[in-house]
Amino acid sequence: DIQMTQSPSSLSASVGDRVTITCRASQSINTHLNWYQQKPGKAPKLLIYAASTLQSGAPSRFSGSGSVTEFTLTISSLQPEDFATYYCQQTYGALTWTFGQGTKVEI
Amino acid sequence: EVQLMESGGGLVQPGGSLKVSCAASGFTFSSYWMTWVRQAPGKGLEWVANIKQDESEKYYLDSGKGRFVISRDNARNSLHLQMNNLRVEDTAVYYCARIHYADGRYPNIDYWGQGTLVTVSS
Repeated sequence: DIQMTQSPSSLSASVGDRVTITCRASQSINTHLNWYQQKPGKAPKLLIYAASTLQSGAPSRFSGSGSVTEFTLTISSLQPEDFATYYCQQTYGALTWTFGQGTKVEI
Repeated sequence: EVQLMESGGGLVQPGGSLKVSCAASGFTFSSYWMTWVRQAPGKGLEWVANIKQDESEKYYLDSGKGRFVISRDNARNSLHLQMNNLRVEDTAVYYCARIHYADGRYPNIDYWGQGTLVTVSS
């Protein structure tokens, strides 16, 4: 099975900061990597798919990059509504998927 | 507007069975792969199962193989997850969600339900 490792598991940041979250796959997943945002008590929301494509409706301050095994989610200027937990997800191969363990972004 | 509404969660004893369901609306249900994702209290997301439009392909989390069965009723726009021999570690919010294939080859989960809580406890 493909394992996904996110880092850091949590971070503290301020409004206006540039924030970077990393996700590593245990084997090559090409660009089959998605990023989700989840706020407490709510369902996750898709931010980025195929490693770097911004989902319709997601703010342009979110961007994704990477391929093969190393991926990054960047928030260019953190806004108050961005305090949440972020998950990467691999969707490569035989339709058995895995999520990273999550990164909590807090003040 | 796409809507996914789960139901059927509740308290069940270890070793018991439970079926959770999802009512879909606002899109052509029969045209989409569907998925179940769960989240244990205070924990991260865990993918559970996927099902193809015509039920010809189904995929499961390793710990769910032989215990969980995903199914769908395209005539009723509904998705189901039958869970048998439940364990304490199956306690979670179970989300029903739609799979979208971007460019025909990059699957992602673009719509989620609000989730239904399954608690396995004696």
